[in-house]
Amino acid sequence: DVKVTQSSRYLVKRTGEKVFLECVQDMDHENMFWYRQDPGLGLRLIYFSYDVKMKEKGDIPEGYSVSREKKERFSLILESASTNQTSMYLCASSLVGLAGNNEQFFGPGTRLTVL
Amino acid sequence: DQQVKQNSPSLSVQEGRISILNCDYTNSMFDYFLWYKKYPAEGPTFLISISSIKDKNEDGRFTVFLNKSAKHLSLHIVPSQPGDSAVYFCAASPHNTDKLIFGTGTRLQVFP
Repeated sequence: DVKVTQSSRYLVKRTGEKVFLECVQDMDHENMFWYRQDPGLGLRLIYFSYDVKMKEKGDIPEGYSVSREKKERFSLILESASTNQTSMYLCASSLVGLAGNNEQFFGPGTRLTVL
Repeated sequence: DQQVKQNSPSLSVQEGRISILNCDYTNSMFDYFLWYKKYPAEGPTFLISISSIKDKNEDGRFTVFLNKSAKHLSLHIVPSQPGDSAVYFCAASPHNTDKLIFGTGTRLQVFP
């Protein structure tokens, strides 16, 4: 059973703080993703990693960075949190899509509030 | 530029009836389409998918239809149950990439 876990379900931070969101998957997936979900905007890709130490910008990378030092762990970093980064953050993982079925498995999400 | 669109933000259906959720896309290079279901305070879970070489895929109460000429797909749920009440996202996979592009979601409410 694929499991993707995220370090916190709820987080409250202050403007300007550095924030770390951690994600761990236990299925040896090559790909890992960070999304944010906002009402009326769906899921938007922030960053994507297809291997250790490899990363690719998604659609909305501004204000974020990522780190992937181990295959199972993918971290999202908000260098200086701002109120417009208040959102639900979702981590996902997937195998390399050899057969075209790019099913992604999601964690439970982290609801981040920046005051 | 929204490449995957779900134009109905919400849908209300009576238990036992059919629910039809729609999704439109703009990029003809998408080669795989997926539907996800999301309950509040949980991550999305995979529901059903379809390859661009097919026009229909069925799994129990869930059927996805793909109309490539119209760049349109739909998810049919028959019969609808109260436990189906959730937000449904369609997603598309561009050719030669493992990324998914998600729509904005449709909130389905199934009432008794």
